[in-house]
Formats: sequence, C-alpha cells, structure tokens
Amino acid sequence: KQEVTQIPAALSVPEGENLVLNCSFTDSAIYNLQWFRQDPGKGLTSLLLIQSSQREQTSGRLNASLDKSSGRSTLYIAASQPGDSATYLCAVVENGSRLTFGEGTQLTVNP
Amino acid sequence: GAVVSQHPSWVICKSGTSVKIECRSLDFQATTMFWYRQFPKQSLMLMATSNEGSKATYEQGVEKDKFLINHASLTLSTLTVTSAHPEDSSFYICSAKAPTQETQYFGPGTRLLVL
Repeated sequence: KQEVTQIPAALSVPEGENLVLNCSFTDSAIYNLQWFRQDPGKGLTSLLLIQSSQREQTSGRLNASLDKSSGRSTLYIAASQPGDSATYLCAVVENGSRLTFGEGTQLTVNP
Repeated sequence: GAVVSQHPSWVICKSGTSVKIECRSLDFQATTMFWYRQFPKQSLMLMATSNEGSKATYEQGVEKDKFLINHASLTLSTLTVTSAHPEDSSFYICSAKAPTQETQYFGPGTRLLVL
C-alpha cells in the first residue's frame, strides 16, 4: 500500500526566505506526482504536476523536483511571502487517477 | 482553469437525517469524479471514485450503503450521507477529471456538522 509522508509537518519562516518542503513515497511505481495548496477551510489548488518521466517543474517562484527511484519530491519556494501561508499537500497518482495524499506541511510566512 | 463547485458549503443537521452534497464541473465534462473526506489536521482520504453512468467504486472501509454516490450526468455527482451521525462530521471534498486531462480539479469543499 502506497504511503506518502511529508516533512516537516509545520514550518514558520520570516518573509523573504527560501524554503524547501519534502515529500516521500514508499512505492516508486507512480504515474505522476502533484503538489497542492490548501487554505484553511477551503478546497485544493493544484500548483505543479510532475510526470514520472520528468525531473522537475517550475511555476513562478515554485519549483518541484522528483526523484522517482528514491521515492522523493521537494517543493522549493523562493522569496516567500505572507500570502504563501497555507498547507501544502503532496499526492502521488498510481493506477488510473487515484490520488494518495500526504498529511501536508503547514507553512506560515511571517511579515 | 477548470472550475468545480460544491453545494452546500456548510451544512448542520441532526443525527439520523440524510444530507446530500452536490459536486458540479462548471466548464468541462467530467467522466470521473472523486469524493474525499478530510478530518481536522489530517489529509484527504479517498472515499470513492465515480464514473458517469456506472456504479461508484468505494475504498476499503467506506460503507457504500451509508455514502450513496450518484453520477448521473457528465457535470454532476452527488454524495448522500444517509442517517448521519456525529462521527460523520467532516470536510467533504470532490474533484473532477476530464477524460483527456490528467489533473484533477477540486471543489471548495463542504463542511458537515452532525449534532
């Protein structure tokens, strides 16, 4: 059974700092990996999707990497802003479209 | 990007009543919709996968007779929590996927409180 783990569970940083969120998964036979953002009491916003054949994807200040063989992904956020405060969820897709989520990293960026 | 809506956003009900939650894809046809449940401080857990025109596939441990799912059209799926109890109180989120795309688009969620 696939298990997805995210470290750290919570992170608090000052504004402007670069930061890295970590995600690991136990079964490397994934179809793709996705990073989402969830604001309190809200649904999910898709940030980045990395295909299993890709090594990284970039969108603005966000960069996600994937090392499928070692079962790891990182989300790099450059020049963090208070508006980046949210919970960041990593999820892997195995067969079909089934998403398995990690428990998330709660990020707080302090002004 | 694609938009998925959920209705209602909040529902409070008495124990023993049934609650219906709607999930709509507003600007695309969703052949597959997914229902998730999220308890406080926890991640999303997939409850069931719903394909238009066929029976839903439930995850292990999810009672299909308690959580009724209907996906009668390409833009609408409904989740009915039958005879709700306080332990069913949770945040229910749906997602929708178009047949030609890989990304799932998530709704804003429905918070259910059973008294």
